[in-house]
Amino acid sequence: DAKTTQPNSMESNEEEPVHLPCNHSTISGTDYIHWYRQLPSQGPEYVIHGLTSNVNNRMASLAIAEDRKSSTLILHRATLRDAAVYYCITHAGNNRKLIWGLGTSLAVNP
Amino acid sequence: DGGITQSPKYLFRKEGQNVTLSCEQNLNHDAMYWYRQDPGQGLRLIYYSQIVNDFQKGDIAEGYSVSREKKESFPLTVTSAQKNPTAFYLCASSIRGSSSGANVLTFGAGSRLTVL
Repeated sequence: DAKTTQPNSMESNEEEPVHLPCNHSTISGTDYIHWYRQLPSQGPEYVIHGLTSNVNNRMASLAIAEDRKSSTLILHRATLRDAAVYYCITHAGNNRKLIWGLGTSLAVNP
Repeated sequence: DGGITQSPKYLFRKEGQNVTLSCEQNLNHDAMYWYRQDPGQGLRLIYYSQIVNDFQKGDIAEGYSVSREKKESFPLTVTSAQKNPTAFYLCASSIRGSSSGANVLTFGAGSRLTVL
């Protein structure tokens, strides 16, 4: 699975949109892009995943670049409960080979 | 509600003692995993199991042991051979062990082990 690059930290204000970037320049054609988030002292929680097309669910949207070398997780209106570490990982089908980086620590200001 | 239950949430152990962390899931998932999380590092895979009575070493299996006698249970034993066991331990499961990049992991809330 391809390694991903994310900013160490980001900050947002409550009720504003947040765009969390992820670079995965070595992604292969069959790798999915997954996002998880982890609240303090909790296990990671699945957020969203996609392959080529943009995806929406109740938690967030995932925008995937046309060349698939980068993606952006979009939280449409940040809340204080969205303060967490967000992990972007690529997934070729074998959970055993996932590479977890340090993610992006998102702070949300009231 | 379906999910993964890890226990205990906090555990203290003296050096030289073995300790077993429990992981139970009621999601009917085939595959289960144990990860270790340390400050400043990403999640690292300790052991995984794709089916009952079968498990494989992950990247950092030394000093750990597991069993998979039931589909819903995957306990992890941290033995005295593990040199630096203080960490946050995470159990996860998925529908299938591999084959699809759309395969999503479900995690438990974690167990924090501190060796005194």
